[in-house]
Amino acid sequence: DTGVSQNPRHKITKRGQNVTFRCDPISEHNRLYWYRQTLGQGPEFLTYFQNEAQLEKSRLLSDRFSAERPKGSFSTLEIQRTEQGDSAMYLCASSYKRNRAGANVLTFGAGSRLTVL
Amino acid sequence: GQQLNQSPQSMFIQEGEDVSMNCTSSSIFNTWLWYKQDPGEGPVLLIALYKAGELTSNGRLTAQFGITRKDSFLNISASIPSDVGIYFCAAYTGANSKLTFGKGITLSVRP
Repeated sequence: DTGVSQNPRHKITKRGQNVTFRCDPISEHNRLYWYRQTLGQGPEFLTYFQNEAQLEKSRLLSDRFSAERPKGSFSTLEIQRTEQGDSAMYLCASSYKRNRAGANVLTFGAGSRLTVL
Repeated sequence: GQQLNQSPQSMFIQEGEDVSMNCTSSSIFNTWLWYKQDPGEGPVLLIALYKAGELTSNGRLTAQFGITRKDSFLNISASIPSDVGIYFCAAYTGANSKLTFGKGITLSVRP
């Protein structure tokens, strides 16, 4: 297993365009997370899936953002009608949630950096 | 909301020196994690702490889960140039809660 894979690594787009990022988690992991990170800040939670179910969404996830994990494996994060404020690093992470007391340690991908002109 | 406080924003040390970083909160957390991030990459897990008072080492790194469950520290001993990067603390309130991150501390190591 090569870890969490994200692509594209970099995306430059014009304001108003749609963009889509893909995340391939570690194969045996059942949870998948999306985080956003801006310069000088720590990662901020956007949403997460357990298998194919989207269990939680942050208020940061406006209606222009949509995430899917159709077969409980890879996930996509789409941003419609991009705005300059969407420029950030979008990080995907995955974990294997074993039991109620089990550790839920996230393994992150290298991120997809979005620049909106 | 829950916040993790890391300061200062930047630290500058000489190669070979030890350095300690704190992470504090007004909220109680049940799991503390320390991550390191290199430029243009995602965060990489350094140490995970699961019990109040726990002290865990990973090579030259040592971290402790504060007894009040509101803080944690990370110590790096005998620093080397590849220790340069941004160090984030992160914590959970429970197994099904989201992972909250601090703003990170940028560490620079002078050769």
